[in-house]
Amino acid sequence: ELKVEQNPLFLSMQEGKNYTIYCNYSTTSDRLYWYRQDPGKSLESLFVLLSNGAVKQEGRLMASLDTKARLSTLHITAAVHDLSATYFCAVDTAKAAGNKLTFGGGTRVLVKP
Amino acid sequence: DSGVTQTPKHLITATGQRVTLRCSPRSGDLSVYWYQQSLDQGLQFLIQYYNGEERAKGNILERFSAQQFPDLHSELNLSSLELGDSALYFCASSEGTYSNQPQHFGDGTRLSIL
Repeated sequence: ELKVEQNPLFLSMQEGKNYTIYCNYSTTSDRLYWYRQDPGKSLESLFVLLSNGAVKQEGRLMASLDTKARLSTLHITAAVHDLSATYFCAVDTAKAAGNKLTFGGGTRVLVKP
Repeated sequence: DSGVTQTPKHLITATGQRVTLRCSPRSGDLSVYWYQQSLDQGLQFLIQYYNGEERAKGNILERFSAQQFPDLHSELNLSSLELGDSALYFCASSEGTYSNQPQHFGDGTRLSIL
């Protein structure tokens, strides 16, 4: 059974500093997604990582994928309050028939002034 | 706005009852996915339909069933409800199956069992 583990589970950030969220998974996959969820809201797609060594950046967020290590990281540069949310990684064990996303437990991020 | 519409937004019912959750995918998306989000289980994949056919199945209970209609909207039926079924149920859609595109999530239906 695929296991997806994120750490830390909670991250208290100071504005202006850099932080990293880690996502480890237990089986081979070359498709990994990052989502953001604000409290009581839906999930918003941040990044799609489709191959070993993939790196995607959007604003203060940068995600990377190492399929050999079964590890993805989400790096936050110079944190700002607007980035407070819960971040999920999800691994797609897609087969030709269909897709199946297995989510990590989420990392709750709180950015303090 | 993701373009995925879920109704109702909130549902309160009692144990033993049956409810139906509805989802309209984004225009052009053929795949619909259902997820359950709860505090103890996290986000769990339930089932995927593609153009009316079941394509992938996750941790969906036998008391739960889903279908996708010719107009591509989907319904998730939950029966013999138990207290533990209280959760936020999300629908998501994507263009195809075995797709490289992200799934786009609706706002969810919050189900409370009393």
